[in-house]
Amino acid sequence: DADVTQTPRNRITKTGKRIMLECSQTKGHDRMYWYRQDPGLGLRLIYYSFDVKDINKGEISDGYSVSRQAQAKFSLSLESAIPNQTALYFCATSDHTWTGAEEQYFGPGTRLTVT
Amino acid sequence: AQSVTQPDIHITVSEGASLELRCNYSYGATPYLFWYVQSPGQGLQLLLKYFSGDTLVQGIKGFEAEFKRSQSSFNLRKPSVHWSDAAEYFCAVGRGTGGGNKLTFGTGTQLKVEL
Repeated sequence: DADVTQTPRNRITKTGKRIMLECSQTKGHDRMYWYRQDPGLGLRLIYYSFDVKDINKGEISDGYSVSRQAQAKFSLSLESAIPNQTALYFCATSDHTWTGAEEQYFGPGTRLTVT
Repeated sequence: AQSVTQPDIHITVSEGASLELRCNYSYGATPYLFWYVQSPGQGLQLLLKYFSGDTLVQGIKGFEAEFKRSQSSFNLRKPSVHWSDAAEYFCAVGRGTGGGNKLTFGTGTQLKVEL
């Protein structure tokens, strides 16, 4: 079984709809991240969470919100989807180190299309 | 602010030929550096990482990378490419501040392998 899972894997939605992407992990890691990938832009950080009570904005958080329901679950919401949020979304986890020398483990991605 | 540049968007090599993918970074202190690979329809898999110590690091699948502080580079190499290496490769730099490791990714290099 995969250590980091994302649901759904593919989603097509309409402009203005609310949508939630879910991420679950069995690695026991404290830290979780949401990225989006766009062609030619690489991956950009949306939000990150260092523990259940800690949520932080990344470089492109506008239009998104997150919820850390438990150590193992981190959800990304688009309150009112717009077409330029069409992208591939990745969840990642890492284990805490004080130095920050952490490897991130990625889920398989969710391909979101907003029409 | 930290940044990563991958100057080659696409590279084509023949199977069995050697490979070098370039990565240059900008960071104010000693960086933590990573190379990830993304196969079609897959998530990101870590190939190798540099945190400290020996500047030549070995990774999975026969890849290696060399950290050159004077050139701000972390180029990925493989002596003999296999057709299964066709994928997109991302270089990333992390901020090891003790507050966690938020990665900044390059825009990726798409590798095509000719048989």
